[in-house]
Amino acid sequence: GAVVSQHPSWVICKSGTSVKIECRSLDFQATTMFWYRQFPKQSLMLMATSNEGSKATYEQGVEKDKFLINHASLTLSTLTVTSAHPEDSSFYICSARFTPENTEAFFGQGTRLTVV
Amino acid sequence: EDQVTQSPEALRLQEGESSSLNCSYTVSGLRGLFWYRQDPGKGPEFLFTLYSAGEEKEKERLKATLTKKESFLHITAPKPEDSATYLCAVQGPYGQNFVFGPGTRLSVLP
Repeated sequence: GAVVSQHPSWVICKSGTSVKIECRSLDFQATTMFWYRQFPKQSLMLMATSNEGSKATYEQGVEKDKFLINHASLTLSTLTVTSAHPEDSSFYICSARFTPENTEAFFGQGTRLTVV
Repeated sequence: EDQVTQSPEALRLQEGESSSLNCSYTVSGLRGLFWYRQDPGKGPEFLFTLYSAGEEKEKERLKATLTKKESFLHITAPKPEDSATYLCAVQGPYGQNFVFGPGTRLSVLP
């Protein structure tokens, strides 16, 4: 299957700082990428849908000014958590598809964010 | 609104003890139902896609089936390395997004 790489795998940051997470499709071009958040022992909750070259679409309740998403190329999307607080600590996962309609979705390995 | 539930929440099996995981869904026009495996601290790993009722797919000790209301993931003679959380997700006819179920945490004891 296609490979999606996330970086970093884990990060610890101080409260009030910003942290950027990268999601790359390594062997295919992804017109659509998705960002999820997962709390311990819970399932994946979609945060936003990122389409290359256009603004991301955020799910209800997700602050777009806090979670900045950029999808500048067909192989890279970034999620920046701005002014991070301890409650932002979570497991963030991205996924990518070849096209918006394509049903196959491939997931990155996830990023564990801890805000202290 | 698309919804997915999974049962049981957790399942503990002895090695070699076969069982089934359930995924019940409500979606107006199923585009696809997906099974993923997730190990602790890792992203989901794709297992199967099912598109229409009656469809079945197999991979090693796993077999996924689909009806109009639910899907089953059958695990035959499981091994300890099958221990993981199994996630079910659906995609409706219009949305790009997947709706995930809460998952079933499977533990296979040697």
